[in-house]
Amino acid sequence: EIVLTQSPATLSLSPGERATLSCRASQSVSTSLAWYRQKPGQPPRLLIYGASNRAGGIPARISGSGSGTDFTLTITSLEPEDFAVYYCQQSSDWWTFGQGTRVDIK
Amino acid sequence: QVQLRESGPGLVKPSETLSLTCAVSGVSMSRHYWSWIRQSPGKGLEWIGSLHYSGSTSYSPSLQSRVTISIDTSKSQFSLRLASVTAADTAVYFCAGDSRNTWSFYWGQGALVTVSS
Repeated sequence: EIVLTQSPATLSLSPGERATLSCRASQSVSTSLAWYRQKPGQPPRLLIYGASNRAGGIPARISGSGSGTDFTLTITSLEPEDFAVYYCQQSSDWWTFGQGTRVDIK
Repeated sequence: QVQLRESGPGLVKPSETLSLTCAVSGVSMSRHYWSWIRQSPGKGLEWIGSLHYSGSTSYSPSLQSRVTISIDTSKSQFSLRLASVTAADTAVYFCAGDSRNTWSFYWGQGALVTVSS
């Protein structure tokens, strides 16, 4: 099973600041990686697929990069709706999810 | 507007079978992949399995022996059955879908299923 490790566990930032989230895979997943954002009481929302492609309706301030084992989700200027939990997910070998990174208001 | 809605019992006894249905509207089930994903209280996400509209399936290795996912395109719905449940199966169960079997764009709101006697 491919294990995804996300860091940091929690990121405390202010609105307007830049957020950088990391996802590391235990073995190469090429670009078979997606990012989701989940708010309390809601389902996850797909943000990025194929490591760097924005899903429909996702603003340009959110971007993804990486390939192989190291991936990054960047939010250039945090908006109120960005304070949530973020998960990465790989589909190279079945599906597994990372444990999540919480972005909260500083 | 695409909508997915989970339905089924919210309480299941240990050793019994959990059954949920996901009703799909606003999109044809054809040429899409449909998945079940769960989230234990306060924890992360766990993929249960996926199926193609043609009926082909793939299941999580850790749950494969207990899981069945099926589809009824005439009713625009797909279903999850999880046998021999224990308290560890208590979770919010999400149905999800996408045109590719790699991630999910469409999600239901989730259904909480509690396993308890």
